[in-house]
Amino acid sequence: KAGVTQTPRYLIKTRGQQVTLSCSPISGHRSVSWYQQTPGQGLQFLFEYFSETQRNKGNFPGRFSGRQFSNSRSEMNVSTLELGDSALYLCASSPRQATSYNEQFFGPGTRLTVL
Amino acid sequence: SQKIEQNSEALNIQEGKTATLTCNYTNYSPAYLQWYRQDPGRGPVFLLLIRENEKEKRKERLKVTFDTTLKQSLFHITASQPADSATYLCALISSGSARQLTFGSGTQLTVLP
Repeated sequence: KAGVTQTPRYLIKTRGQQVTLSCSPISGHRSVSWYQQTPGQGLQFLFEYFSETQRNKGNFPGRFSGRQFSNSRSEMNVSTLELGDSALYLCASSPRQATSYNEQFFGPGTRLTVL
Repeated sequence: SQKIEQNSEALNIQEGKTATLTCNYTNYSPAYLQWYRQDPGRGPVFLLLIRENEKEKRKERLKVTFDTTLKQSLFHITASQPADSATYLCALISSGSARQLTFGSGTQLTVLP
């Protein structure tokens, strides 16, 4: 089975722009979670989608949004980028809702740099 | 406030020794706890999951303990090898209504040959 894929792998944007990141989960997985990882804050939960519905949301501003399509693929959007949004954005998939008793499978991440 | 703390940011041990990593939490009532490994430039990889009613879990050279009284999990790697060098993250999810997976900041383990 193919693993979780994320595109693009690297991205450079300037302040004020917006960005869309994509995540394709493992085939058959219905849950996709997004995380932001920075050296200072570590791995922080953004939100989780399950069956096209946002099930949980972390403590991030409304500039961070996402959606999930019927094939479970997910996109994350960040509007009005700030320098502090520079981070590694990871998505993870799991067969059931992430709050269930199962592991999450992470993708390689998208490295976003905001100049 | 809720907090997850992993012992020392970095841990160096000699090859062949047992590495012990600590994960302490406060103001959580976790239903279960997970451990992940992360290599530079890659996403975390799941290693082990232990539930609140389990005291210990083993997988090959890995062992995890979970003490809900002490609010602590210990992660052991026996007969450590240089290939075990990585950052290890613990993660837990509350059994309450605001259910989300929260990660500790990680411990960077270096196994010296």
